Amino acid sequence: GENVEQHPSTLSVQEGDSAVIKCTYSDSASNYFPWYKQELGKRPQLIIDIRSNVGEKKDQRIAVTLNKTAKHFSLHITETQPEDSAVYFCAASTGGGNKLTFGTGTQLKVEL
Amino acid sequence: NAGVTQTPKFQVLKTGQSMTLQCAQDMNHEYMSWYRQDPGMGLRLIHYSVGAGITDQGEVPNGYNVSRSTTEDFPLRLLSAAPSQTSVYFCASSYQYNQPQHFGDGTRLSIL
Repeated sequence: GENVEQHPSTLSVQEGDSAVIKCTYSDSASNYFPWYKQELGKRPQLIIDIRSNVGEKKDQRIAVTLNKTAKHFSLHITETQPEDSAVYFCAASTGGGNKLTFGTGTQLKVEL
Repeated sequence: NAGVTQTPKFQVLKTGQSMTLQCAQDMNHEYMSWYRQDPGMGLRLIHYSVGAGITDQGEVPNGYNVSRSTTEDFPLRLLSAAPSQTSVYFCASSYQYNQPQHFGDGTRLSIL
């Protein structure tokens, strides 16, 4: 089955700096890659997603890039703010059941 | 629209007891899934459904049963609770394949 690895597990940045979180996947048939943000005690919430026919997608301060050849994708957050502090999960979907395999998460801390 | 509603929010069980976690969505989504979230392990897929009457196993199905008699409801049954099933359980739904999954608020389950 699919295996998703996520790095780093913790990331601390200064407010205004950029943050980058990287994920690799194992199944070349994976074709949908969402990113979720989860605040403490809350539900995961989708922040951005990308499909395998697209190399890059941007939404305001958030962008995702996908390299299908290398089987890795990355989340980029620019101009970080304290409210960006949360756990971020990447995921990959393979097959017709919308089955998501998640990475183990990155705890992002934005310091003032 | 209430979105995805999970009940109960908290539950404590004794080893060997059985119970059903409820999940309902009012968005007419075909795809529904159950995940468990354990510290340091991200979210892992337990069971999923691509429509009423159709269910399949995910990554960690042992000890759990599901059924999907209506589009709206997707209950998860613990047959004989074990301490290893202590976790936070999330239900999610999506409109179609490779579409964003919307999560419920979760059920925090402790098994003594």
